[in-house]
Formats: sequence, C-alpha cells, structure tokens
Amino acid sequence: DAGITQSPRHKVTETGTPVTLRCHQTENHRYMYWYRQDPGHGLRLIHYSYGVKDTDKGEVSDGYSVSRSKTEDFLLTLESATSSQTSVYFCAISDWGQGQESGELFFGEGSRLTVL
Amino acid sequence: GDSVTQMEGPVTLSEEAFLTINCTYTATGYPSLFWYVQYPGEGLQLLLKATKADDKGSNKGFEATYRKETTSFHLEKGSVQVSDSAVYFCALSGVNSKLTFGKGITLSVRP
Repeated sequence: DAGITQSPRHKVTETGTPVTLRCHQTENHRYMYWYRQDPGHGLRLIHYSYGVKDTDKGEVSDGYSVSRSKTEDFLLTLESATSSQTSVYFCAISDWGQGQESGELFFGEGSRLTVL
Repeated sequence: GDSVTQMEGPVTLSEEAFLTINCTYTATGYPSLFWYVQYPGEGLQLLLKATKADDKGSNKGFEATYRKETTSFHLEKGSVQVSDSAVYFCALSGVNSKLTFGKGITLSVRP
C-alpha cells in the first residue's frame, strides 16, 4: 500500500471555526491532491500540488486553501468552516512526471469532517 | 472540460450474476481511463486501468476495454460475489494527472 496518512480521520467542528487537514506521504511523490466526496457528486478536486510551494486550484476550490512546505506534507485549510463543507476529504498522490505516465492516483483513507 | 458519466444506481445482483456498469467520457486528447473501487469505510483503490485505445484492463475477474470510437470504458464481470459489494467509480486522467471522476455507483450482491 502507498504510504499516505491523513489526520485527523474524524472531526466535528462548528460553523466559522478554522480547520486544517493534513496529508503525509512517505513515497516522495511530486503530485498531491485533495478531493472531497459527497453523495451524488462522486469525488471532486479541491486543490492539487505539483511540487513544494507549487499549488493550483481544482473545480471546487472556493473556501479552501492549501500549503505544501515539504514534499511529504500537503495541508488543506478551511479558514471559516461552513455546513456545506461537511464531507469526506481524500488525499491522493501520484508519481506523474517521475517516469510513470499512466496517471494512477493512490488514495488515503479519508477524513470525515462534520460542520455543525 | 473533461467529464465522466456513469449509469445511475444503485445496482443489486444475486451472487454469480453477470455485471455491467456503463461509463462514457468526454475529454480532449487521449486520456488514461480507470476504474476505482471503494469498500465500506475505506479509501479508493485502483481496480483496473487502460492507457490507450483498444487496451483492456483486467483485475480480480473484472474487465474494461478502452473504446475510443464510442468514448466508453464499461466495467464487466462474469460472476459477481458478495465480496464485490462496493462503490465503483469510473475516472479519466487529464493534465497533471488530475483525475475526473464519475458520480459512482453502489453495487450490492446478495448471497
């Protein structure tokens, strides 16, 4: 299994509070991604990173920010959580650009966030 | 932009039944195509993939063929088992390996 760890795995918070989710990898992969999973929507990309300090937006980036100060860590921050951000968040990694061209992603086990 | 359309679910089958889950896509260029599976309470796992037209991906008795002419990547299995009960996602790989997913379909297999 790919070495991907998400924390926390479960969190309940209140509207308006800041929340940070952490993704840690031990594979030294260049690309990292944050997706959210919601019923009826599948998985949607929030943000992704293609290197240290290099990030870009996905299709549902409003209300989220990310940071990547080290290859192994990719943080997702909700500056002021809202109930619409209640979801399951998945981190993924890819070795794209390192000799592998299939584009396969490896996923963490998910972080379930509830915003009351 | 890229998009993936999966058939509506959920799907309930009896053990040993034949399974087909339809998937069609819209994309620029020639993306790689994937089927991912999610078992209850877990993250997504790659089930199979195909990287170019006419390629057939296969794993654990599941198969899917990359059909460029019909822009499809339908998932099939000849005889499903209870242990195949899960959510199945079709996906395509775009620029920077970003995956675009379909909405997923829940499969339940009865003994």
